[in-house]
Amino acid sequence: QQQVKQSPQSLIVQKGGISIINCAYENTAFDYFPWYQQFPGKGPALLIAIRPDVSEKKEGRFTISFNKSAKQFSLHIMDSQPGDSATYFCAASTHNDYKLSFGAGTTVTVRA
Amino acid sequence: GAGVSQSPRYKVAKRGQDVALRCDPISGHVSLFWYQQALGQGPEFLTYFQNEAQLDKSGLPSDRFFAERPEGSVSTLKIQRTQQEDSAVYLCASSLRAADYGYTFGSGTRLTVV
Repeated sequence: QQQVKQSPQSLIVQKGGISIINCAYENTAFDYFPWYQQFPGKGPALLIAIRPDVSEKKEGRFTISFNKSAKQFSLHIMDSQPGDSATYFCAASTHNDYKLSFGAGTTVTVRA
Repeated sequence: GAGVSQSPRYKVAKRGQDVALRCDPISGHVSLFWYQQALGQGPEFLTYFQNEAQLDKSGLPSDRFFAERPEGSVSTLKIQRTQQEDSAVYLCASSLRAADYGYTFGSGTRLTVV
């Protein structure tokens, strides 16, 4: 049973546009929500992460929005660049657990 | 080394064959994880080591899967009597401390069972 549901499965955005990926969870014990970026043939790399005591976190062109009451969080990629073309995974964990539960992934294609 | 190194990068096994996948974590990293990533899916947890102790093997899908880390550094994931459903990318990750979310993943071993 997948604990984190991710959508859309794929998206195409023009260079300079905004990419938005959404995730939802059921386990209210989750208190750490990272996003990973994965290029073909590589392992996932941590991009940005948030804890539920804040509603938004921004690092460069990447922003996580978090809605605790709705049990949803999203990744916004601003000013998308061709180099951002990759698969993005949301994940969740609890503070006393080292295991990450991943979403199914979103393949982002940025067209020049 | 600078990163987590996994070998081989690709492995083709005939159904029923045993395979061994190796992971060299970042030097000094205490925690080591194995994840399985099926095609088009997110990684799924298999097992966790803290130094040489295997603290959690709850994600191993069957008793055909076995992992070890005898000296607290290099780890091997062994799959006996491989089945087609074992085809996946096997990812290893390490972190400096226990319960540290700052995992570094390796590039994985792609296992294809034919």
